[in-house]
Amino acid sequence: GPKVLQIPSHQIIDMGQMVTLNCDPVSNHLYFYWYKQILGQQMEFLVNFYNGKVMEKSKLFKDQFSVERPDGSYFTLKIQPTALEDSAVYFCASSFGQGGYEQYFGPGTRLTVL
Amino acid sequence: GDSVTQTEGQVALSEEDFLTIHCNYSASGYPALFWYVQYPGEGPQFLFRASRDKEKGSSRGFEATYDKGTTSFHLRKASVQESDSAVYYCALGEGTNTGKLTFGDGTVLTVKP
Repeated sequence: GPKVLQIPSHQIIDMGQMVTLNCDPVSNHLYFYWYKQILGQQMEFLVNFYNGKVMEKSKLFKDQFSVERPDGSYFTLKIQPTALEDSAVYFCASSFGQGGYEQYFGPGTRLTVL
Repeated sequence: GDSVTQTEGQVALSEEDFLTIHCNYSASGYPALFWYVQYPGEGPQFLFRASRDKEKGSSRGFEATYDKGTTSFHLRKASVQESDSAVYYCALGEGTNTGKLTFGDGTVLTVKP
């Protein structure tokens, strides 16, 4: 099936530093998402991005978080500055449409904040 | 807010056993319902979906029927294989104006040969 790629697979950084997580979505998809999963816990929605804009975000999408997809390149999640509670696996997803459309997920980036 | 409840946290079966994983949802509107499967080291993979009452979704021998009356979307498979061992997530998509998926806690399925 369609593949979503995520780079890097694992990132370790010190608290307070900036981190950028990269996602290469399915080529003809229009909607892009980030989800967060803390080990052993539920997968939780962070943000939905379409046509260059944030469409919807959850309370987990703190002011320190930002997303962009400049010129159709990687869809990125930036955290600046990072906090200990940001340690989690971050999954990128993409879909052709909203609502009833299936989302395709990448393998995740494991972020460890020390 | 909307929510998804999966009753079983872990299920252990032998090959050729029948599988049922229970999924109930709570939503204000008329959501689309999904099943995803996740293998170690990978992201969730779309299994199938259903968008309206009484619609059956199916893939790879797995199936579930959207039941608006009981707010359920239980996953079933008649004969599991060792390769079905994975984490299964029930999820709901809240409507046409949002792409947000709300996931259940997941069910770890272990199938012994």
